[in-house]
Amino acid sequence: EAGVAQSPRYKIIEKRQSVAFWCNPISGHATLYWYQQILGQGPKLLIQFQNNGVVDDSQLPKDRFSAERLKGVDSTLKIQPAKLEDSAVYLCASSHGAGGTYNSPLHFGNGTRLTVT
Amino acid sequence: GNSVTQMEGPVTLSEEAFLTINCTYTATGYPSLFWYVQYPGEGLQLLLKATKADDKGSNKGFEATYRKETTSFHLEKGSVQVSDSAVYFCALNQFYFGTGTSLTVIP
Repeated sequence: EAGVAQSPRYKIIEKRQSVAFWCNPISGHATLYWYQQILGQGPKLLIQFQNNGVVDDSQLPKDRFSAERLKGVDSTLKIQPAKLEDSAVYLCASSHGAGGTYNSPLHFGNGTRLTVT
Repeated sequence: GNSVTQMEGPVTLSEEAFLTINCTYTATGYPSLFWYVQYPGEGLQLLLKATKADDKGSNKGFEATYRKETTSFHLEKGSVQVSDSAVYFCALNQFYFGTGTSLTVIP
């Protein structure tokens, strides 16, 4: 099966600019996640979608970050305006969700490395 | 609250050495526990999982046992290979990841 696709792979922007990341999950996976991974740390969950509804966005900085999942398939994550501390790898993951989402392993994309200067 | 504490790295071992990477957790309820691995230049991928107490997850010679009494899920392998060089992440459900442990295996 095709894996989770993310684009772009790399992005360099100046602070206060905006940026958007795109994710296409594995076909048939109902649940989609966005994570932020700062260098030297583990992934931190930003937002979880079940189909096209938000399940958990408690750790999403909503003053500058937004995300949507159109038609329950592709998703975009946007940052506007970007800050220096947003420099990180942004990971998208999907899971089948069978048996309860807590049991289903994640399938990760290769991530987008964002550098804010 | 929920959290994962993972053994600090980096870890360097000789080929065929025994590996242990410690992971302990704090959780409410009955979480599922996972080990993910990130090989150089690749994305995170599932290594193994356990969904209830006393379950043992295993894959590629790696094992981890879900110990509720000690709130631990330590990763072990009896004989590491150079190809095991990677960063290993312990995770609680899909929401809480450890900081990762970098493993380098030298011939």
